[in-house]
Amino acid sequence: AQSVTQLGSHVSVSEGALVLLRCNYSSSVPPYLFWYVQYPNQGLQLLLKYTSAATLVKGINGFEAEFKKSETSFHLTKPSAHMSDAAEYFCAVSLFSGNTPLVFGKGTRLSVIA
Amino acid sequence: NAGVTQTPKFQVLKTGQSMTLQCAQDMNHEYMSWYRQDPGMGLRLIHYSVGAGITDQGEVPNGYNVSRSTTEDFPLRLLSAAPSQTSVYFCASLGSNYGYTFGSGTRLTVV
Repeated sequence: AQSVTQLGSHVSVSEGALVLLRCNYSSSVPPYLFWYVQYPNQGLQLLLKYTSAATLVKGINGFEAEFKKSETSFHLTKPSAHMSDAAEYFCAVSLFSGNTPLVFGKGTRLSVIA
Repeated sequence: NAGVTQTPKFQVLKTGQSMTLQCAQDMNHEYMSWYRQDPGMGLRLIHYSVGAGITDQGEVPNGYNVSRSTTEDFPLRLLSAAPSQTSVYFCASLGSNYGYTFGSGTRLTVV
């Protein structure tokens, strides 16, 4: 069965600094990978997704992630953090074979310090 | 507007009461699912459905029932609510572009 591990339940960065949120997956077959963002008291919004095309995926709000099969990783980055990026971020994996469900990591809360 | 609609947005139940959380989508998606979100636990899958008449259990199905009589609707039933079911519940459907659409959530408190 597939699974996702997000390293660090809380990450704090200064405004303008690099954002790096780590995600490692476990899957017996090539997976589809996703990053979602959740602002306080809101639902989930898709940031980006990897579906076996280009390994470097660009998403909304300046975020991007790179699929590295050798490292089983799909880390999320943004060159310069904004105050508005403060939220909870979830990495998720699906096999999309036989309609297997989306499995989430436990989330990383990003704080941005002025 | 196209999307996933969840009702109610908020609910308070007493222990032992039953209720149904509603989820409807108008995108003709075959695949729908229910998650619960608890602090520090991420989103955990309760039940999912790959089409009308077909449902399956997820990671945390105990205490919850589902059925799928139409493509549009996927209600989640709590037969006898317990305080451990206090959570935020999200419904999601899967489109052809490998993208899940999530509802806005139902915040349930069981006292």
